[in-house]
Parts: sequence; structure tokens; C-alpha cells
Amino acid sequence: DGGITQSPKYLFRKEGQNVTLSCEQNLNHDAMYWYRQDPGQGLRLIYYSQIVNDFQKGDIAEGYSVSREKKESFPLTVTSAQKNPTAFYLCASSMYGGPLQETQYFGPGTRLLVL
Amino acid sequence: GENVEQHPSTLSVQEGDSAVIKCTYSDSASNYFPWYKQELGKRPQLIIDIRSNVGEKKDQRIAVTLNKTAKHFSLHITETQPEDSAVYFCAAKTSYDKVIFGPGTSLSVIP
Repeated sequence: DGGITQSPKYLFRKEGQNVTLSCEQNLNHDAMYWYRQDPGQGLRLIYYSQIVNDFQKGDIAEGYSVSREKKESFPLTVTSAQKNPTAFYLCASSMYGGPLQETQYFGPGTRLLVL
Repeated sequence: GENVEQHPSTLSVQEGDSAVIKCTYSDSASNYFPWYKQELGKRPQLIIDIRSNVGEKKDQRIAVTLNKTAKHFSLHITETQPEDSAVYFCAAKTSYDKVIFGPGTSLSVIP
């Protein structure tokens, strides 16, 4: 777990503002993921990337964007189009993506609040 | 689409008793089933997993069983302790190589 870091721990967004959440891993994992967790609910997949310079939409991608320019980094931008962004955001990684993907390791999370 | 159901949503047990959480999945091609424990405000952590070629797996006080025919799997915690109190998530990897999580079970172990 210590190999995945997320920053900041808390983030405040003003209306109409884009904010970017950082996720870095030093586990040499190919695949990285972003999940959203609302209170009392499970994890919903926003975006995932199985390899550098490639990523796919998850179940709730609208209002979010990502990039994967480096293997160790997978930042998530919450755009102004996301009307209800208040949630706990979790980044995860796994050694492989696709059919070989198994154990996911999670970062400590970022709590996003709207001012 | 694929989904994972999980029951119960909340569970209270006396310290020392057993706890059982059940999950069902919809994609019959699912082949990997992890269980995660999440303490309040913290990250989910893998506690045990099972693959579709195995019917049961045990790790100390924790066991998981899988019934592929019925498409359900269960987590069993024996001799529960207060530190077992947390939210537990089951998950299943689908034929599209996505991991779908259940909604979670909040377990409270009463001393």
C-alpha cells in the first residue's frame, strides 16, 4: 500500500473550477484506476488505464478527465461539468491490466468537497 | 450490465461469534473474486481472494467459499474481534476484465 500515494488528502473546489487529483505509484504496475466512493456506498469506476498513453472510460466518466503520460502517474481532473463532485476518490493500481488483472492496491484517497 | 449484490448491508455480532457476508454476481465468466476491508476514512485493503478454479480458501480466521453454479461467494470470519469492525466489500472480475464492487457490508463487533 505504501507504494501508492495520493495528494492532496483534502481538496476544496469552488463552483466552475477544475481541480486535479494526483496519484503516483512506485510499484512498477502497468494498470491504474480511479474510483469514486460516496458515503455508505461501494466503489464506482471512473477511468482506468492498462498501459501508458492509453485509458478507457469506466461507469461514471462524465465530468472527469485523465492522462497517463508516465507509467507511475495517473492524475484525475474533476471538471466543472461534474455537478456533484463531493466524494472520496480512490486511486488503485495492479500489476497487469486486461485478462491478467487481479489484486488491486489502493492509495489513501482524496476527499473532495465543494465550497 | 454486470453487477455484484452483497448482503447484509449491516451486520452486528458479539465478540467471539462468527460473521458471514454473502455476494452474488451476474457474469458467469467472472473468474476472480477479491474481498476488501475498509476502516473508516481509510483505503480498502485486500484481505482474501479466490479464483474460479477453487471452491474454498482459508487464511487464519477468514475463509471464502465460491459456488460457481449458483454464482455466489461468501466471506466467513470466525472468532470475531472488535478490530474486525469495518466495511467489507466483495468484488468480481468480469469477462470484460473490469472489477465490479458490491455495495459493502458494515460489520460491527460488540465487545
